[in-house]
Amino acid sequence: AQSVSQHNHHVILSEAASLELGCNYSYGGTVNLFWYVQYPGQHLQLLLKYFSGDPLVKGIKGFEAEFIKSKFSFNLRKPSVQWSDTAEYFCAVSSGTYKYIFGTGTRLKVLA
Amino acid sequence: EAGVAQSPRYKIIEKRQSVAFWCNPISGHATLYWYQQILGQGPKLLIQFQNNGVVDDSQLPKDRFSAERLKGVDSTLKIQPAKLEDSAVYLCASSLREGRGASGQFFGPGTRLTVL
Repeated sequence: AQSVSQHNHHVILSEAASLELGCNYSYGGTVNLFWYVQYPGQHLQLLLKYFSGDPLVKGIKGFEAEFIKSKFSFNLRKPSVQWSDTAEYFCAVSSGTYKYIFGTGTRLKVLA
Repeated sequence: EAGVAQSPRYKIIEKRQSVAFWCNPISGHATLYWYQQILGQGPKLLIQFQNNGVVDDSQLPKDRFSAERLKGVDSTLKIQPAKLEDSAVYLCASSLREGRGASGQFFGPGTRLTVL
């Protein structure tokens, strides 16, 4: 069965530190990959997505993610976090049969 | 552009009662989803509609949950009778394009259900 794993459940960083959140999925076929973010008190919103092409994807607010097919990974990165990046981050996968599966989320707290 | 609308925002009921949630997706979005998000977990897909047809309802507990999307626009999700374990946030989302190269989903604010 398909699954999505986010290994870091809670991350605390100081401002200007670099961020990398792990995401691994289990599905051998063609997938769409997404990162969503939920800021405190706000809706889930799309941060970035990948389907094909350049495996390094750039999203909003300086975030990027790298798709490594051989590792079934789609890790989220940001070179320098800000206090405003404090949020919960979800990795999600949809397969050719449309089914969406979300990871359990990573709560990021950035200290000013 | 108006976002995905959901109501009510909060609902408290007793077990064995029934409850209904409403969702209005973004105009022009053919695909609509209902998710259940239990505290500390990621959203779990309950049902996915393409226009007014069901694409996937494999994780919908059909003995107590039902959903419909009349005329391919608004949707309602109903729970009857509710159980304690149904306490969760129910999220509605819509998307413009699915399949390969999916466009991504737009989420509503959710309905927080508490079952006592």
